[in-house]
Amino acid sequence: GAGVSQSPRYKVAKRGQDVALRCDPISGHVSLFWYQQALGQGPEFLTYFQNEAQLDKSGLPSDRFFAERPEGSVSTLKIQRTQQEDSAVYLCASSLVQGEQFFGPGTRLTVL
Amino acid sequence: AQKVTQAQTEISVVEKEDVTLDCVYETRDTTYYLFWYKQPPSGELVFLIRRNSFDEQNEISGRYSWNFQKSTSSFNFTITASQVVDSAVYFCALSEAGRSGANSKLTFGKGITLSVRP
Repeated sequence: GAGVSQSPRYKVAKRGQDVALRCDPISGHVSLFWYQQALGQGPEFLTYFQNEAQLDKSGLPSDRFFAERPEGSVSTLKIQRTQQEDSAVYLCASSLVQGEQFFGPGTRLTVL
Repeated sequence: AQKVTQAQTEISVVEKEDVTLDCVYETRDTTYYLFWYKQPPSGELVFLIRRNSFDEQNEISGRYSWNFQKSTSSFNFTITASQVVDSAVYFCALSEAGRSGANSKLTFGKGITLSVRP
């Protein structure tokens, strides 16, 4: 079966632009996570959904970051007024059971 | 708060050598899960293993083995007879058991870059 897919794979934005990153989880996975991975670092948690409910958004770095999963499947991470420090790889993961998360290929965001 | 420390940053070995990647964790929970993920140059994180805090049995899978010791809060990973294809960044991660059936985020270490030379 298909794994987690993310689009676009690469995104270049000018500082101040808004961006939207998409995640298609594995079919049937109720849990969906977003992580941010800066160059040379481990992924850091951003937010978590169980079905359409956003149960934890404690990792979102500022109110410019917003995530949604309106129908409990596809999720979108939106970053408004992008800044250079937002440059990173954004990883999406989905899970069916406790803890075993399967990751997508990531979206590499570069803010100029 | 939970924390994962991977003190080694880069390791370089020659093919067929054995190599051990260290992982030390901190958590206040009595029930938790430990993981290892591999991130090859392509960038996608590949799940390798999950252990729960009540299962301290060492595990072997082919050339891979894991040593979980609660007494030292360590979960080390050994690759036997390393191969060039093992070259990647390896992450250790920790999650606390979710409450009320909710899933739980992963806390990652900074990763260890393993280079296996022919």
